[in-house]
Amino acid sequence: AQKITQTQPGMFVQEKEAVTLDCTYDTSDQSYGLFWYKQPSSGEMIFLIYQGSYDEQNATEGRYSLNFQKARKSANLVISASQLGDSAMYFCAMREAAYSGAGSYQLTFGKGTKLSVIP
Amino acid sequence: GAGVSQSPSNKVTEKGKDVELRCDPISGHTALYWYRQSLGQGLEFLIYFQGNSAPDKSGLPSDRFSAERTGGSVSTLTIQRTQQEDSAVYLCASSTQVDAYNSPLHFGNGTRLTVT
Repeated sequence: AQKITQTQPGMFVQEKEAVTLDCTYDTSDQSYGLFWYKQPSSGEMIFLIYQGSYDEQNATEGRYSLNFQKARKSANLVISASQLGDSAMYFCAMREAAYSGAGSYQLTFGKGTKLSVIP
Repeated sequence: GAGVSQSPSNKVTEKGKDVELRCDPISGHTALYWYRQSLGQGLEFLIYFQGNSAPDKSGLPSDRFSAERTGGSVSTLTIQRTQQEDSAVYLCASSTQVDAYNSPLHFGNGTRLTVT
């Protein structure tokens, strides 16, 4: 089973509107971290926001917030007041605490959502 | 401070040639990771280092791929006898700790490898 699922290959949003990018995850660990990265067309991977499994408050970083629903194993990214510069690929990722053999402690990524902001 | 630095940014090579990709992590970051991103795809984990040691190499796609890290700093990913399916962007990332699940990975800008 996939550890990270992003069901929206592509999304469109009007400039200045809010948009939610979906992410669900699968883990049996109690301790884990969830991350969102932005990848513009230039190719760099930019860290946006982090949510820990024990955090009771949803994480926020400027216009980015993470809607964390632990029981549903979802960690959706909300971008408020979209800007043209937000057009990019967005990746949800998870890092688990337990040593699990191959690829231990790696950041496991979803397949990404391509966000296009329309003027 | 300086971020993760990768070189070269672009590499075009002929099928069958060897290539070396370099990664210079953020100073003080003990954990270093290599990922591969094929066109339009997500990131595929290759290998990680804790210091100079690579405890798990099972993410490397074939024995043509190898990596080393020296001085707990610079890492080199080597691909021998390159094949066209090796064409991808190779991303390096570093982190303060391997076993800290709350520590983000900081990525370099990647090396775009094209095998002709």
